[in-house]
Amino acid sequence: QVQLHESGPGLMKPSETLSLTCTVSGSSISNYYWTWIRQPPGKGLEWIGYYYHSGNTNYNASLKSRVSISMDASTGQFSLRLTSVTTADTAVYYCARSDSLDYFFDSWGQGILVTVSS
Amino acid sequence: DIVLTQSPGTLSLSPGDRATLSCRASQSVGGSYLAWYQQKPGQAPRLLIYATSSRPIDIPDRFRGSGSGTDFTLTIKRLEPEDFAVYYCQQYDNSVWTFGQGTKVEI
Repeated sequence: QVQLHESGPGLMKPSETLSLTCTVSGSSISNYYWTWIRQPPGKGLEWIGYYYHSGNTNYNASLKSRVSISMDASTGQFSLRLTSVTTADTAVYYCARSDSLDYFFDSWGQGILVTVSS
Repeated sequence: DIVLTQSPGTLSLSPGDRATLSCRASQSVGGSYLAWYQQKPGQAPRLLIYATSSRPIDIPDRFRGSGSGTDFTLTIKRLEPEDFAVYYCQQYDNSVWTFGQGTKVEI
């Protein structure tokens, strides 16, 4: 059974760098897109970006200048780094796995709320 | 990037009713890469439909997906009490995923 679990700080100050980790268990790393998605309180889902097992990445154009996603296959963890956070980055952050044939998210973490406040 | 617009924003129905949710894309969605998710308060989204009309084995058959090109529909044949939630469509195109803004199905 595939499980994903997010970890990281719950509270941050503006201008800091957000670092989140997703621990994957029960899944091969290959042939999946390891993805971060966020959801501001009371709002919809926003795709942030992915890391593919080959090392390829791609990011939401609106965040591209501030975001990076990396993966350590040996530990089964992938990470999100978002620089210069503002209150607009307050959201529940989910890690998820996307299939590489039909490009849907079949496994999700439970989500972690990150609040940016001075 | 392809923009997905869902309608209506809110659907007020009763248990046993049929629900029809729409998802319209700003350009054609290639490869049938269109999925639907259900989200309840405090929970992560749950996959309902992928590849426009395919259902994971644990999803009841009252959930049906259809459509092509720019127009897609999620139909819930007879609403059960546990179906009242927010539903999102999602597409993939050229290494970018996007979501619709969601439709809330309420009692």
